[in-house]
Amino acid sequence: EADIYQTPRYLVIGTGKKITLECSQTMGHDKMYWYQQDPGMELHLIHYSYGVNSTEKGDLSSESTVSRIRTEHFPLTLESARPSHTSQYLCASSDREDQPQHFGDGTRLSIL
Amino acid sequence: EDQVTQSPEALRLQEGESSSLNCSYTVSGLRGLFWYRQDPGKGPEFLFTLYSAGEEKEKERLKATLTKKESFLHITAPKPEDSATYLCAVFTSGTYKYIFGTGTRLKVLA
Repeated sequence: EADIYQTPRYLVIGTGKKITLECSQTMGHDKMYWYQQDPGMELHLIHYSYGVNSTEKGDLSSESTVSRIRTEHFPLTLESARPSHTSQYLCASSDREDQPQHFGDGTRLSIL
Repeated sequence: EDQVTQSPEALRLQEGESSSLNCSYTVSGLRGLFWYRQDPGKGPEFLFTLYSAGEEKEKERLKATLTKKESFLHITAPKPEDSATYLCAVFTSGTYKYIFGTGTRLKVLA
């Protein structure tokens, strides 16, 4: 079974706050991804990383930033949260780009 | 343009009523097609990978098949616990992208 963990699971916070969503995996995967998903809607790739010190923006423009200092850790940061950032954020990892992705259970973020 | 389309958007079945979900794709070279199950409030859970036309994979009541244009997820004698959203994704060798479909929301009634 995949071991990928996201914290917090739920976060309700006020506008203007700085937020960091944590994602860690214990599988040693080089490839990691962040997706944004609104309820009942499709997954949108916002960031990905192919290894340590590698980060790229995805197809959906996002005001968030990511870092990859360690293989197992891929945090996502919002410097100043806005209500438009309200969504579910899903982290995933894979051994190779053309292999199945393993997902965490997500962080449901609500910005008031 | 690479595209993945799933149908139907939503499906309601009686327990035991078998059916199929469709995933059609138009891509610049298929490197793999993936099926996932997503329960409410959870991340997608990987089910199957298919790599070439004619390939089939089975797991309990689920069977996935692949042709050159589409994939089917057949559900035989479904149970209420099979209720979930089923997602299809492809990895393209042309654009080197992983593309998800919008999913089929399945509801199985007891």
